[in-house]
Amino acid sequence: TQLLEQSPQFLSIQEGENLTVYCNSSSVFSSLQWYRQEPGEGPVLLVTVVTGGEVKKLKRLTFQFGDARKDSSLHITAAQPGDTGLYLCAGNPLSDYKLSFGAGTTVTVRA
Amino acid sequence: GAGVSQSPSNKVTEKGKDVELRCDPISGHTALYWYRQSLGQGLEFLIYFQGNSAPDKSGLPSDRFSAERTGGSVSTLTIQRTQQEDSAVYLCASSQSGVPGNEQFFGPGTRLTVL
Repeated sequence: TQLLEQSPQFLSIQEGENLTVYCNSSSVFSSLQWYRQEPGEGPVLLVTVVTGGEVKKLKRLTFQFGDARKDSSLHITAAQPGDTGLYLCAGNPLSDYKLSFGAGTTVTVRA
Repeated sequence: GAGVSQSPSNKVTEKGKDVELRCDPISGHTALYWYRQSLGQGLEFLIYFQGNSAPDKSGLPSDRFSAERTGGSVSTLTIQRTQQEDSAVYLCASSQSGVPGNEQFFGPGTRLTVL
């Protein structure tokens, strides 16, 4: 079983629509990271959230870290075809330097 | 180069053969990580190097897998007697240090196909 559960696994939406990806765990994390990966490339870090309840915005992307530091969400407003990709959440459980990854959410934005 | 590089980008091999995958981390990064990415399963941690030492090899799936790092830089992941279930994308990442939460920079991966 994955330490971090992502949902949904696949998401296909029309350009201009909003979407939310969830990342949940029963473990507490010192920080959570969101990566985006395109075909044939490695994941690229989008954001790191470290404080419970933290909200970070990156243009049309909004990231939230749960108060208990066990879950996070990624919300994209007015999605564009360029947002298409595999979104991965990852985190270091407390006292563990190893980065654990969720299985990923494949997002497709249709023009 | 400025980023993490990996070679080869693609490797097709026959079951039972040995393969070597190479990773060139970002210059000056002391921490290096190997992950395996299978379809629909996210990234699976394999091994972590701090300098040339591997304090954590717990993610290596079997004794057919080994890795080394020399000069605090280049790392090779070796898979002996490859099996079909070894087919996956092998990703390497480096970070400035092994401090949890430090950004890891990933290479493009090596896609391994075992026939």
